[in-house]
Amino acid sequence: QVQLQESGPGLVKPSETLSLTCSVSGDSITSYYWTWIRQPPGKGLDWIGYIYYSGSVRDVSYSGSTNYNPSVRSRVSISVDKSKNQISLTLTSVTAADTAIYYCARELRSPLGYHMDVWGKGTTVTVSS
Amino acid sequence: DTVLTQSPGTLSLSPGERATLSCRASQSVGSTYLAWYQQKPGQAPRVLMYGVSRRATGIPDRFSGSGSGTHFTLTINTVAPEDSAVYYCQQYDSNARTFGQGTRLEIK
Repeated sequence: QVQLQESGPGLVKPSETLSLTCSVSGDSITSYYWTWIRQPPGKGLDWIGYIYYSGSVRDVSYSGSTNYNPSVRSRVSISVDKSKNQISLTLTSVTAADTAIYYCARELRSPLGYHMDVWGKGTTVTVSS
Repeated sequence: DTVLTQSPGTLSLSPGERATLSCRASQSVGSTYLAWYQQKPGQAPRVLMYGVSRRATGIPDRFSGSGSGTHFTLTINTVAPEDSAVYYCQQYDSNARTFGQGTRLEIK
């Protein structure tokens, strides 16, 4: 059974960089799409971006094939650490608007349909001085 | 990017009634690329339906999805107290994934 666990600092100062990790257990990160989604307090879901790791690259840390929400594209980076079976999210120059619960999820793609079948429980990030 | 608009914002029903949740897209969405999620308070979302009408593993058959093009519907036959949650539709296109703003289902 695949499980995802997000981790990172609960509090980040404005203008600093937010770094989160999603640890995957029960399966390899290879050959899947891994997605980050966030949810501001009391609001809906906001897709941040995804990474696809094919497993064909020797590098332990790899940026993979990525795609980001245009609203954060200039500030965001998603990468994988093959040795740790983890996916990382980095968001620079944060503001209060980045305060949210951050979720990682696995995205399945098949001819039958695309969907996010496994989600982490989420980690709360507050941007405040 | 494709914008998804859900209605109603809130739906209040008694147990046993039928719930009909609407999701309208600003442009056509392929049937492969439309999914529905349920989120209960304090929990992560979970997938209910994908490919418009395919139930995810473990989802009761009182949940069903339909629609095509720009209009999609999630139907819950005979709602139960445990169905109280916010429901989101989501679409995939080549550039992004977007979610609707959600429909809150309250069970009286």
